[in-house]
Order: sequence, then C-alpha cells, then structure tokens
Amino acid sequence: VMTQSPATLSVSPGERATLSCRASQSVSSNLAWYQHKPGQAPRLLIYDASTRATSIPARFSGSGSGTEFTLTISSLQSEDFAVYYCQQYDNWPPLTFGGGTKVEIK
Amino acid sequence: QVQLVQSGAEVKKPGASVKVSCKASGYMFTYYYIHWVRQAPGQGLEWMGWINPKSGGTNYAQRFQGRVTMTRDTSISTVYMELSRLRSDDTAVYYCVRDQAKQLFDYWGQGTLVTVSS
Repeated sequence: VMTQSPATLSVSPGERATLSCRASQSVSSNLAWYQHKPGQAPRLLIYDASTRATSIPARFSGSGSGTEFTLTISSLQSEDFAVYYCQQYDNWPPLTFGGGTKVEIK
Repeated sequence: QVQLVQSGAEVKKPGASVKVSCKASGYMFTYYYIHWVRQAPGQGLEWMGWINPKSGGTNYAQRFQGRVTMTRDTSISTVYMELSRLRSDDTAVYYCVRDQAKQLFDYWGQGTLVTVSS
C-alpha cells in the first residue's frame, strides 16, 4: 500500500513544495512520480526515485529509498498546480499508486 | 510522434460489458507492453493489467480476474480492454498506457469515460 501525504498542499507561486509517499513495505528505489492535471493524461516526472524523465524541468526532484520518498518542487510555477501520484513497481502485480496529493494555489 | 488514441465514451447498464479500444501509432506496436489504468470519480489511479502486443500474453490484477479481457490486433496496432458484469463502481475514466520499460508509463491515451448506470 502506498500512502501519500498531505492530501492537499496549499502553496504560493515561487514557494517550495514537498510531497511525501510512504510504502507499506520496501520498494527499494522502484518508485515513480506522475503529475496529473484535470482533463489531461498523467505525465511521468520521476522514476527510480530520483531520475527525472525526459523534458522534466530541474525544479522537480525526487529522493528516498525503501519505504520513504519525497518529491520536491523547488519553486512552484503556475503550471505545476496539479495532483501528484507516486507509483511503486517493485512488488507487483499489482502495480500500485498512492492516493495522490493535490497541490493548490494558496 | 507516439500516440495512443482511445475509443469514445460509453454508457452501460449494470451487468453489461464494455470494450474500449486503444490505437497506437508512431512507434513499433509490438515492442512495448500496454497497460490499462482507471480512475473513478474523485479517486486515485488503479492498475488493471497489461498485455504484451507481440505475444498476446496478459497479466491481470487479481481484483479484475474473471471480468477483464485484454486483446490485441497487430494488423491495426490496436489493443482492447473488455470489462464484463459491470457495476456502478466501475464508472471511471479508463486509460491505456505504454510501458516504456520497468512498468513506467511514458505515453497515455486520452482516456475513455465509462459510465455504468441503470
């Protein structure tokens, strides 16, 4: 089970956002982050816990291993307000996602 | 460019079946697994299973075993997901997604809304 916190994060543009994802058992570094905006398909941001996917800006960074992971957005831009999901691909099937963190404008 | 184009929205009655298509283009269809992921209203993402377009082999999430069938037609680069014995809690947006490697999803279809209502 993947648990994300907080469920909602209110942040002002330009501020730093820190999102957490916890796994009920170790997933090593087999953890990805996705960004999901309304009406759009999710987008892969980070994989292997800390590797940015193609074309993802450097303000997105991931860290952690085992059961505790963090996605950090260093300086929030207007286009970053969205829902973020973590996904583990270590112990599967099934592949599992966290419940999501909504990043909203403060 | 890589595209996954899904069939349109469906409205079904409880107990019926739905079949959603996903047409791939812009890459070698048989090189990448396709997964299906759904999102119910107000809920998170839920993985349903995958299909190997080359062999037709499948792997379904246990909770959908017996109700879901994933198939493919290599002649038209299309995969299908059929869900039977629909219930109201199957109302969701269904996405087909390409597995770039290691069960990471790099391209997503636009989503297909399936509404189950009497």
